[in-house]
Amino acid sequence: DAGITQSPRHKVTETGTPVTLRCHQTENHRYMYWYRQDPGHGLRLIHYSYGVKDTDKGEVSDGYSVSRSKTEDFLLTLESATSSQTSVYFCASTPGGEQFFGPGTRLTVL
Amino acid sequence: GQQLNQSPQSMFIQEGEDVSMNCTSSSIFNTWLWYKQDPGEGPVLLIALYKAGELTSNGRLTAQFGITRKDSFLNISASIPSDVGIYFCAGQPLGYGNKLVFGAGTILRVKS
Repeated sequence: DAGITQSPRHKVTETGTPVTLRCHQTENHRYMYWYRQDPGHGLRLIHYSYGVKDTDKGEVSDGYSVSRSKTEDFLLTLESATSSQTSVYFCASTPGGEQFFGPGTRLTVL
Repeated sequence: GQQLNQSPQSMFIQEGEDVSMNCTSSSIFNTWLWYKQDPGEGPVLLIALYKAGELTSNGRLTAQFGITRKDSFLNISASIPSDVGIYFCAGQPLGYGNKLVFGAGTILRVKS
């Protein structure tokens, strides 16, 4: 498996606060992705990156931003957290083709 | 947007039984992938398929890339308790770059 870690693994925050989730991969993969997982929806793409400083929106990008200043790190920011952003967030990476997933971050917005 | 229809939504089977699940789409896919997710963990890749008609096995798991390129199935033979989990199909549609579309998942529960 690709070496992908996510931090934090669990977070509880309040509505209106900014939150940043970090994804770190040690495989030198070019492509990285952020997904959210909610019951009945599978995995939905939030944002993705196809290289350092190259990012694009996925299907559920509203309220989220991303940054990728180094190949190994991909940050997801919730600019002003809302209760609808309570979810499990997964990061993935790939050199092209199969994606490899991190362990997830469980975020609760109160 | 792109959608995958994965069925069944859940299964509750006896240990030792064979299991089958599938995904269909109205669009043509370049790649089909099957993942398994255990509670509290990220999805783990089980099988990757790249050509129409391709049939690939991984131990007790067998998956096929449909000849129309719009569907795929996964079979698990002789299920055991550790097969419990959520199985996801994922596909890479034509013209979608290096992004994947995921099915909603099949929850597998096994009676021991």
